[in-house]
This record gives sequence, C-alpha cells and structure tokens, in this order.
Amino acid sequence: GQQVMQIPQYQHVQEGEDFTTYCNSSTTLSNIQWYKQRPGGHPVFLIQLVKSGEVKKQKRLTFQFGEAKKNSSLHITATQTTDVGTYFCAGRYNQGGKLIFGQGTELSVKP
Amino acid sequence: DAGVIQSPRHEVTEMGQEVTLRCKPISGHNSLFWYRQTMMRGLELLIYFNNNVPIDDSGMPEDRFSAKMPNASFSTLKIQPSEPRDSAVYFCASSLWADTQYFGPGTRLTVL
Repeated sequence: GQQVMQIPQYQHVQEGEDFTTYCNSSTTLSNIQWYKQRPGGHPVFLIQLVKSGEVKKQKRLTFQFGEAKKNSSLHITATQTTDVGTYFCAGRYNQGGKLIFGQGTELSVKP
Repeated sequence: DAGVIQSPRHEVTEMGQEVTLRCKPISGHNSLFWYRQTMMRGLELLIYFNNNVPIDDSGMPEDRFSAKMPNASFSTLKIQPSEPRDSAVYFCASSLWADTQYFGPGTRLTVL
C-alpha cells in the first residue's frame, strides 16, 4: 500500500548542531506537508511543497522536495532547544486525497 | 478563531465501558479527520469525512469503533466496548477540502 517512510526515528544533537530528517515514498507524490509536534502537544502545520525540486525556507528551517517527487527533507541549521519535538512528513498521492503520515523523527537538543 | 475543539481532554475508563470522544471542527472547514497516536504505531488515520460524509474508514481498527458526523460542526468517535489496547491519544483535525490540516489538542484515553 501507499507508505511514507521517514528516517531517522530519533536524533539527539548538541545545541548549535544541524539536524536533517528524510522522507521517502516508493511512488510519486502529489505534494508533501511537514508538521511539528512539541512534547505533549498536537501536530502543527509547518509547510507544503508541491513542485518538483522545490526548496522553501523558514528562518533556520529548509525544506526540499525531490526532483522525482518521491522524497523530501527538512534541515534545521544550528538547532536550538526550542526546536525539540517530533517532525512529521505527510504525503498525498493525488489531489484531494488523504495525507499519509511518516513515522516521525523525534529531535532532542542538549543545551 | 477557536481552533479545533476536542472533549474530553482526558478520559480514564474501565475495560468494557463505552467511550465517546467529541470534536468541533474549525468553522467553514469541510473535511474532518480522526487520528490515533501511540508510541508503537505512530500517527494513524482512522477515518475522514468530506461534507459530513465518511470517505475513507479503512483505518478503523474493528467494529468496536464507529464515527459519526451529524452536521458540519460536530463529530463523535465511539468505542464500544473499550479495551486496554485502545489506550492512546486521539486527535481530531479539520481542513478545507483536505488541504492543510489543523489538529485539535487531542483526547488522552486510558482504558484500565
């Protein structure tokens, strides 16, 4: 079935280090979204990527969508303790279809 | 805007009891989603509605689970009878035409 694989499952970094999480799909995605869930909180929408090869930035966060629209990444430069949480990608295989969430990457940042 | 409202926020019940979770989506949104989150299985889509009509319920675990959306501003997820393995955080989310999803705060369910 349709599945979005996300790695790594956990990532522990020292404050100031960079962080990257990756999502992969075996079939082409229509678009992909990224969400952040703080500990004890609920997923909050960060961004949506639609175009092949698209790159979007939000301050220290850089989001990429692969040329084949089968993979995506989220990169955080110089992590801060406020970046702690679980980052989910969620792919959609057709316009208006349901979102398929990846397993999430839990980020912890040591001050 | 009040955002997605869920109640109760916490529910502790005994095995065999009926549990009803409630959700009020964001006004104007026409898609509503029920998710379950556990450490083992992550975030799972249980069912979603478009314009109050169930579109995909393939994620509903079994017949003990049922969901309704009688109108555009209210939905329920019912578990009858509940079992300890149903313990999880249940999220409701809403969106406009299945676009960006806005999640509620969740209901933490514990079945003893």
